[in-house]
Amino acid sequence: DGGITQSPKYLFRKEGQNVTLSCEQNLNHDAMYWYRQDPGQGLRLIYYSQIVNDFQKGDIAEGYSVSREKKESFPLTVTSAQKNPTAFYLCASSIVGAGNTEAFFGQGTRLTVV
Amino acid sequence: KQEVTQIPAALSVPEGENLVLNCSFTDSAIYNLQWFRQDPGKGLTSLLLIQSSQREQTSGRLNASLDKSSGRSTLYIAASQPGDSATYLCAAQGSDSWGKLQFGAGTQVVVTP
Repeated sequence: DGGITQSPKYLFRKEGQNVTLSCEQNLNHDAMYWYRQDPGQGLRLIYYSQIVNDFQKGDIAEGYSVSREKKESFPLTVTSAQKNPTAFYLCASSIVGAGNTEAFFGQGTRLTVV
Repeated sequence: KQEVTQIPAALSVPEGENLVLNCSFTDSAIYNLQWFRQDPGKGLTSLLLIQSSQREQTSGRLNASLDKSSGRSTLYIAASQPGDSATYLCAAQGSDSWGKLQFGAGTQVVVTP
């Protein structure tokens, strides 16, 4: 099955702790994205990557870090600098270029600070 | 900066009625507009993508239109069913955004039997 796999589904973080969310895709897409969703709000872009070993900050990158060492993988680390990390995190991928860059999403990771 | 708005935030209709969901955007220079469905606690499922050169797209009971000049897209769902209950989000990809999407907050739909 082609698609995007996010793990874990639920994640609990203690104050001052870094946690890493996994995102893997087998769609052979060059571009990958991380979005954050808060209740009643649209998705907001955290980081994106259009090619291996390169990534760019989105609208709300503070307190987050990413890496893109493999085309298939784009892990997101939520650092202790992120003051309000409780949210639903969604990973997406698409082809690079104009036109039909349909985005496909994973099932999300719900992060809760305890 | 692109702003995407979806009104209303919530909608309830009886089964069998047609659904009309609205999406407006401020910058008409878009590459495409995508409609998604989200079930509670789940990820997004892509429903339809309309490229900037298209006026509409259809898939089964779903039809989406795009009017760039007025900054509007509309998703029509014919003969609604209880299984259509979900949150529907639209997202615009700008002309310089390289795949990045600007999302509306969504319309939560309930279809009552």
